[in-house]
Amino acid sequence: DQQVKQNSPSLSVQEGRISILNCDYTNSMFDYFLWYKKYPAEGPTFLISISSIKDKNEDGRFTVFLNKSAKHLSLHIVPSQPGDSAVYFCAASYLGANNLFFGTGTRLTVIP
Amino acid sequence: SQTIHQWPATLVQPVGSPLSLECTVEGTSNPNLYWYRQAAGRGLQLLFYSVGIGQISSEVPQNLSASRPQDRQFILSSKKLLLSDSGFYLCAWSVLSYGYTFGSGTRLTVV
Repeated sequence: DQQVKQNSPSLSVQEGRISILNCDYTNSMFDYFLWYKKYPAEGPTFLISISSIKDKNEDGRFTVFLNKSAKHLSLHIVPSQPGDSAVYFCAASYLGANNLFFGTGTRLTVIP
Repeated sequence: SQTIHQWPATLVQPVGSPLSLECTVEGTSNPNLYWYRQAAGRGLQLLFYSVGIGQISSEVPQNLSASRPQDRQFILSSKKLLLSDSGFYLCAWSVLSYGYTFGSGTRLTVV
């Protein structure tokens, strides 16, 4: 059962425009959410996170929004750069869980 | 600082051969350790996790096994590889489940 879902397997955006990556979850116990970025043949690297007590967290060009009532979060990248081209994984966890629950990933391509 | 080492980076193995992938962590004690697999076109699938020496939990029935002989060492093994075992294997560690650090991964191709 996929508790974290990324329904868009791919996304293409022009350089300089906004990239919006979406993630939905089903488990209401999740209270911490993370985004990871993965280049081919490399391990994922942590990008940004948000706790359920907040609805927005910003770090430079990256902003994560959390809508708890809709069980939805999104990652905004502004402005998008060609180096942002990668697979982005959404992940979620809750206190006491032994692992993170990952989405299936969205491949972002930023077109120069 | 904490680092995680995973090797080999790439591996091509024939069907029916054994497998051993190793992962070690430095700079932390008693980490939670994880093995994930990313199969082609799919997300990250948790295979095993360990909260301590000799403690292994399996998430998905499969042809693989894991062992944790030391606090900071996690090994993924198979006695006989199948074609379906091909994929990108990732080791990760965390102190709490809220943040993972991943290794650089091993691309396994079973031929």
